[in-house]
This record gives sequence, structure tokens and C-alpha cells, in this order.
Amino acid sequence: QSALTQPPSVSGSPGQSVTISCTGTNSDIGAYNRVSWYQQSPGTAPKLIIYEVRNRPSGVPDRFSGAKSGNTASLTISGLQAEDEADYYCSSYTISNTFVFGGGTKVTVL
Amino acid sequence: QLQMVESGEGLVKPGGSLRLSCTASGFTFRDNYMTWIRQAPGKGLEWVAHISSSNKSAYYADSVRGRFAISRDNAKKIVYLQMNSLRGEDTAVYYCARVYVVGGYMDVWGKGATVIVS
Repeated sequence: QSALTQPPSVSGSPGQSVTISCTGTNSDIGAYNRVSWYQQSPGTAPKLIIYEVRNRPSGVPDRFSGAKSGNTASLTISGLQAEDEADYYCSSYTISNTFVFGGGTKVTVL
Repeated sequence: QLQMVESGEGLVKPGGSLRLSCTASGFTFRDNYMTWIRQAPGKGLEWVAHISSSNKSAYYADSVRGRFAISRDNAKKIVYLQMNSLRGEDTAVYYCARVYVVGGYMDVWGKGATVIVS
């Protein structure tokens, strides 16, 4: 049950786009389209922002988008806003009927 | 409205036990899988366990298997996490969440319960 690999941090200016990668294996990301992304601000619970690779729950702005290629998933934030500054985690279901998270990526808006 | 409220948090000595509860409301609890996820201080999220809607199947992370047990009471709309043989590395905020295994995501989260093992 090794964690998925995410960059520790990414940054961008308001209005720019940033992309966070999430690398797994054939046993998790590569096995299913069961990749999700969560946004967490300090002191709060995580919030689901992308599910099943590319779907957005109601109320999540369309500047958040997800994709997957092979064993790597990605989250792109287009038109970065100050309120997007937070930690972001990817997650995948695995062939062992378990879940695995990435180590998290801190997004900083310059 | 959809809501999860965790309870049972506290300070416990190494080797001790603690039971967390999570009360759900706003949805048909008995039709949904439930999960516990934890976050150690300053660290990332770690999936702990999940349980099927019928209480017949449960799955655990290697780090807690044999020490923790997840269960549920569909009549009371509560999911539990019994934690035994606690270690310092179990210190974390524990979140319960509704989980869609078919889609592989957790869509409703509680605010968390703090467990300190010291």
C-alpha cells in the first residue's frame, strides 16, 4: 500500500494555470478510473473536487479539471484564484479493495 | 442536509484502546459504504478502513489490520472504529466519510476527531 506520488508544492500567479501530477501503479491508478481529488484548507476537513478521474461534484468551479493517462492522473486549476490556495490530495481505489492517497501538494498563489 | 459527526476523541496511553463513533444524517445510511481516514499532525491523508453497507465486508490498511475494527449499526446510523493496541504513530485526526467504492471516492466528510496516543 505505497502512497501515490505527488509534487510537494506548486505555485502560480492569479489567472495562471497549474497542474498537479499523481503517479501510481498498475494496481491502482492504472487499474481503474476510480481516481479522485480533494482540496483541504488548514484546519478543515477535505472536500471532494474531482471524482472518477474527471467529474466535478455540484458546486465545484469548472476551472478544476482532471485527467488520467496510464498510471498517472493530473489535476489542473485554470485561472488560479487566491481562494484556491490549499493542500490537494489525489486518491485511487486499488485492486486489493483498498484506497491509497497521494502525499499531498501545497498550492501557493503568488 | 448531509452530515457526519465524529465523537469519542481523546488522549490514550500506548497500548490502550479507544472507540470512535460517527453519526450520519441526511441520507439513507444503510445503502452506503462508510470509511475512516486519518491525518497525522502535519502529514497527509491515510485511508484506514471501509465497511460495506450490509456490515458483511470490511477492509483495512496494513498499518492497522489486526488492531482496529470497523463496524456499523444501520438502525442507529452510526459507524464505529474500535482501536486497540494503540501506538504513538496512531496519533491523528480521524475523519469518517461516505464512500462510493464503485466510483472510488468519498463525497461527504465529518469534521474529524482527534486521537492522541501518549
